[in-house]
Amino acid sequence: QKEVEQNSGPLSVPEGAIASLNCTYSDRGSQSFFWYRQYSGKSPELIMFIYSNGDKEDGRFTAQLNKASQYVSLLIRDSQPSDSATYLCAVVWRSGGYQKVTFGIGTKLQVIP
Amino acid sequence: DTGVSQDPRHKITKRGQNVTFRCDPISEHNRLYWYRQTLGQGPEFLTYFQNEAQLEKSRLLSDRFSAERPKGSFSTLEIQRTEQGDSAMYLCASSSGTRILYEQYFGPGTRLTVT
Repeated sequence: QKEVEQNSGPLSVPEGAIASLNCTYSDRGSQSFFWYRQYSGKSPELIMFIYSNGDKEDGRFTAQLNKASQYVSLLIRDSQPSDSATYLCAVVWRSGGYQKVTFGIGTKLQVIP
Repeated sequence: DTGVSQDPRHKITKRGQNVTFRCDPISEHNRLYWYRQTLGQGPEFLTYFQNEAQLEKSRLLSDRFSAERPKGSFSTLEIQRTEQGDSAMYLCASSSGTRILYEQYFGPGTRLTVT
């Protein structure tokens, strides 16, 4: 089983600040990377995905991928209290001809008004 | 509503009983996944269907667990002889084979409590 590591947090940031969430993974051949947001008691909601090294921006969210260092991060600009949730990193890798996915444990983000 | 739906949303059962959950994926999605999530953990992969074929099954899935997707549309997950350790949120997700793989969309989940 491939490893996906996330700091469980909580990560506390003041409203309006940039929240930086990090994820490292063990399989160098991993192909695609996803960030999900999960509110307490709810199911995960897809925020962003990234496949290529570099940055990908979508509104207040930026995903960053560095395959050489095997990490992927999510930046949330102008953090809002409504961003308070657990952020799950998911990594796709290939095994036995199939693509598989491993989720991290998630980082809990608290945005303080 | 064209999202993934799951039924029931909550299930309380006594140890030793059998339970069955249903998942209806997004209509144009041919891939369907089952996950289990416990408190403080990320979703753990259980099994995966492409159309009606079950292509992958986790070693986490003991022989008490079985899943079907008979016509390539909805899927059921059955747990036989439930144990207290089966208490968790069971999540279903779907994705389209014509789009980027693993861009999965989750249903609301079924929360199982085994007493």
